This record gives sequence, C-alpha cells and structure tokens, in this order.
Amino acid sequence: QAVVTQEPSLTVSPGGTVTLTCASSTGAVTGGQYPYWFQQKPGQAPKTLIYDTNKKHSWTPARFSGSLLGGKAALTLSGAQPEDEAEYHCFLSYNGGGQVFGGGTKLTVL
Amino acid sequence: QVQLVQSGAEVKKPGASVKVSCKASGYSFSTYAMHWVRQAPGQRLEWMGWIHVGNGNTKYSQKFQGRVTITRDTSASTAYMELISLRSEDTAVYYCVSYKALAAWGQGTLVTVSS
Repeated sequence: QAVVTQEPSLTVSPGGTVTLTCASSTGAVTGGQYPYWFQQKPGQAPKTLIYDTNKKHSWTPARFSGSLLGGKAALTLSGAQPEDEAEYHCFLSYNGGGQVFGGGTKLTVL
Repeated sequence: QVQLVQSGAEVKKPGASVKVSCKASGYSFSTYAMHWVRQAPGQRLEWMGWIHVGNGNTKYSQKFQGRVTITRDTSASTAYMELISLRSEDTAVYYCVSYKALAAWGQGTLVTVSS
C-alpha cells in the first residue's frame, strides 16, 4: 500500500503565507489522484476544504488554494488567520480504487 | 440540510465485533459513495473502504480486508460498517463520509476495545 507523507508541523505568522505538501511513495502526485485536503480542529470531525486538486466547497475561505507543485499536492494558505490553526490532512486515490490519507500537518498560527 | 448521523459509542471486548450505522438525510442517498474512515487516538486518519450505494459494490483498504464489511440499506438511507476480531488497536473514532466531493461527515462513533 502506498504511503502518503506530509510535513508533521508548520508554523505561520498571522497574515503570512504557508504551503503544505503531500507526497506519494509511488511517485509524482497527479490530478488523476484527485487530491483532497481536510481541515480538522481538536475534538471535531474533519471538514473538506479542497477536492480534485484545486476545487473549493462553498464554505472554503478564499485564502486557501490547492495545486500540484513539484510532484506533490499542495495546499497554500495566504493571509493566515488565528482560526486556521488546525490539523490538515491530504487524501489521494490510487489505481484499483484504494485511497490513502497522509499523516497530517499540524499548523500553528503564531 | 445534508446530514450523516452515526450510532452511539460502543465498548467491546477483544475478539468481538462492532457494527456502526450512518443514517443519511437531505440528499439522494443512492447517488454518492459512502466511505468509512477511522482515527485512533493521536494517529492519522485511516481510510477503511467505501461502498457504491447505488449497486452495493465495495472496495476495502488492504489493511482491513477480511475484517471489515460495509453494507447499506437504501430503503432506510443507512450505511453500516462492521469490523470483526477486534483488538485494542481498533480503539478509534469511526466516521462515515459522503455527498458531493466528500462534503458530509458523520459526527463520529467512538469504539473502545478493552478487556
């Protein structure tokens, strides 16, 4: 089974920009893996922010964007707010219908 | 509004099985796949498998193959996840996830496996 790797933790200053990445052990992440990004705050269920690499739900703040960057899926937060402090999980699809989560990135806004 | 409501917390002994339900409302249940995801304390999210609600086809993670069964009852708009041969490492919060682009998550069901 593939392993999906994210930065364990990152820190961003309020108003700053940060990019979280999501790598696959099988090689470059492609759009055909329909990368998802989920935000999870302590004690809550995850919330879907980004799907199909860069598409947003109606509740996704405009400051979040998704992309493919250097063979990885990426989530960029531009203009970080204190309420963005959370764990962020990426999720990739693989041939045969299997799907795998990354280990999560704990984002601190400080 | 779109909602997934899961059954309540469970405490099980090692070797037992558990069946968690997930009732959908606010959308056409048969249109979207239903995924099951779990999160052990302090651990990453783990995808367990999914069911094509329309035709009942399933796909399971290799890790859980043989121990997990996902089913659905379209007349009740409810999906189920059964996990057998429970061990302490299966202690986790279990989530159902569905709707457009996985927009809807259940509230989670804590399953505790302890002797």
